[in-house]
Amino acid sequence: DAKTTQPDSMESTEGETVHLPCSHATISGNEYIYWYRQVPLQGPEYVTHGLQQNTTNSMAFLAIASDRKSSTLILPHVSLRDAAVYHCILRGSGGSNAKLTFGKGTKLSVKS
Amino acid sequence: GGIITQTPKFLIGQEGQKLTLKCQQNFNHDTMYWYRQDSGKGLRLIYYSITENDLQKGDLSEGYDASREKKSSFSLTVTSAQKNEMAVFLCASSMGQFSGNTLYFGEGSRLIVV
Repeated sequence: DAKTTQPDSMESTEGETVHLPCSHATISGNEYIYWYRQVPLQGPEYVTHGLQQNTTNSMAFLAIASDRKSSTLILPHVSLRDAAVYHCILRGSGGSNAKLTFGKGTKLSVKS
Repeated sequence: GGIITQTPKFLIGQEGQKLTLKCQQNFNHDTMYWYRQDSGKGLRLIYYSITENDLQKGDLSEGYDASREKKSSFSLTVTSAQKNEMAVFLCASSMGQFSGNTLYFGEGSRLIVV
């Protein structure tokens, strides 16, 4: 069973800032929140991850709620290359953390 | 940065045939993984390896063998290919098993059984 909930799809226009929400109400204390994106015929591409504090890198900004029960991936100034399925997943420590649970994710469409 | 290279990108085999997929990483990561991704579905773990010569079974290990010949390479063998095994096989690696160790994925190998 997926431990995260995401909308099935979102639409945007080039240049916009996109907010992709993810709900993870049953997250455990040692679980990190990871975001990957995937396009057809390619493997998942790492976007970002965080534990408690908001994080930022060249691809995105990750905003994590203070209770950690939800997070939002913020993509500034999206381009056509950002069109993909975005997956929000949780990963704990130890042997079982190899079993990543990828749900359906959010399919982001970008119009020119 | 580093890269994960999976070969071949497409593998066509006959039913009952033994088929091998290879994966190389130059991240110098300790842990490597093989996942299977079926169309429209999530990932299922087949095997993973914490370090060279180590092997751990995942949820889907039956019908597969794996080998961690050296730190940088991890191969997966389908022992007897079946038509319902047509899927994408994804190799990944991470520095370790700590939850903050990011997994990086290869581009995938597509298995077609005729």
